[in-house]
Amino acid sequence: EAGVTQSPTHLIKTRGQQATLRCSPISGHTSVYWYQQALGLGLQFLLWYDEGEERNRGNFPPRFSGRQFPNYSSELNVNALELEDSALYLCASSLGWQETQYFGPGTRLLVL
Amino acid sequence: AQTVTQSQPEMSVQEAETVTLSCTYDTSESDYYLFWYKQPPSRQMILVIRQEAYKQQNATENRFSVNFQKAAKSFSLKISDSQLGDAAMYFCATSDSNYQLIWGAGTKLIIKP
Repeated sequence: EAGVTQSPTHLIKTRGQQATLRCSPISGHTSVYWYQQALGLGLQFLLWYDEGEERNRGNFPPRFSGRQFPNYSSELNVNALELEDSALYLCASSLGWQETQYFGPGTRLLVL
Repeated sequence: AQTVTQSQPEMSVQEAETVTLSCTYDTSESDYYLFWYKQPPSRQMILVIRQEAYKQQNATENRFSVNFQKAAKSFSLKISDSQLGDAAMYFCATSDSNYQLIWGAGTKLIIKP
C-alpha cells in the first residue's frame, strides 16, 4: 500500500511569489494535515482538512491556505512568500479525525 | 493551552544499550492520545508508538515501550537494545479536542557504535 506522497520534493521561490505544494493521502484516508517544520524546530500545525472541508487551522496568516479535492488529495498554497517561510512542509493523513496520522516525506521550500 | 516539553535536546547511547527519552505535557483534556514519532535524517516522520490516555497499560512495540504516568503528565519512551538505525530526532506529541497534534521540540538521539 502506497504511503503519503508529496510533490515537489524541493521548491525554490523568490520573495513575493506564490508556492503550491501537493499531497496525496494513503488510500482510504479522508483527513489531511499540513505542518511547517522550520530548520531545527518542531512541527507547527498549519491546516486540517477532512471530507473536503477545512476543519481547523493553526496560528498562521491568511496567506497560508489550501484545499482538499474530492479524491482527498490536498494542496497548500502560500502567497506573498517571505524569507521566513523557508521550511520543510509535511503532510499527514489519517483514516478519520481520531486516528493516527501518517506522514509524507515533505516538501523543502526555500525562499530567496 | 496544551504544551509538550522535551527537556533533552540531545541524547546519546551505546549500541545495544537502553535509553529513555523524557516527555512531559500539559492538557486540560480528559480524553487524549500521546505519540512518539521519529524523524531519521531522511526526514520521513514515522510513528513509533501511540498511547491512549484512558488505558493504564503502557504501550509496547517490539524494542520500544513507554512509561505513561498520567497523574504526573509524563510520557517517556524507552528504547531497548539500541540499534544504529534508531538514530533520529524523536518527537513527543499529544492530541487536543480537535485531534490537532501538539508537538515537543524533539530530542536528537545519537547511537554510538
